[in-house]
Amino acid sequence: EVQLVESGGGLVKPGGSLRLSCASSGLSFTSAWMGWVRQIPGKGLEWVGRIKSKTDGGKIDYAAPVKGRVTISRDDSKDTLYLQMDSLKTEDTAVYYCTTDRYGALDHWGQGALVTVSS
Amino acid sequence: DIQMTQSPSSLSASIGDRVTITCRASHVFITTLNWYQQKPGKAPKLLIYAASSLQTGVPSRFSGSGSGTDYTLTISSLQPEDFATYYCQQSSDILPFTFGPGTTVDIK
Repeated sequence: EVQLVESGGGLVKPGGSLRLSCASSGLSFTSAWMGWVRQIPGKGLEWVGRIKSKTDGGKIDYAAPVKGRVTISRDDSKDTLYLQMDSLKTEDTAVYYCTTDRYGALDHWGQGALVTVSS
Repeated sequence: DIQMTQSPSSLSASIGDRVTITCRASHVFITTLNWYQQKPGKAPKLLIYAASSLQTGVPSRFSGSGSGTDYTLTISSLQPEDFATYYCQQSSDILPFTFGPGTTVDIK
């Protein structure tokens, strides 16, 4: 069974930084494309970005609202995905989900990590 | 960006009803359209991928169809556990992936 477990969420001040981790199990992480999706509480879903597997080139793509402020990375030796978020804004407040990405279908999701940006 | 719309935004239905949700894309795209179900406080769950393929473990009362810009999700006989919000998502080669605004299905 595939499991994705996010950690690292919390309260941060505007302009601050936070790093989310997503520990995976039950899948071949090295060959998996992985991504992040966020959801403002009570609102819809927004794609944040994804990272391809190293064997498929390792390309990283970001959504425009976060480009330049977030960095997606992976540590295949630890089966873990990361989302480094810098220069956080109040509008980045959301639940952040880690997902697997199978040709664009997000077939496994973590339970989500709440990030609150507030002074 | 490809914009996705869904209709209706919400609907009320009874157990056993046939429910249809539509999703429309702002541009014709070649690749895939996926459907997710989300229950309150939970992560979304993939139901249908590539417009009409049923994800493993998803009941066969769920089905998807469509092509080009117009897609539908159908629940053939609504069950109590199906009350949730449903989202479509396009995953074309043109990033970013985008989601529809969601359709909430509640009990009549």
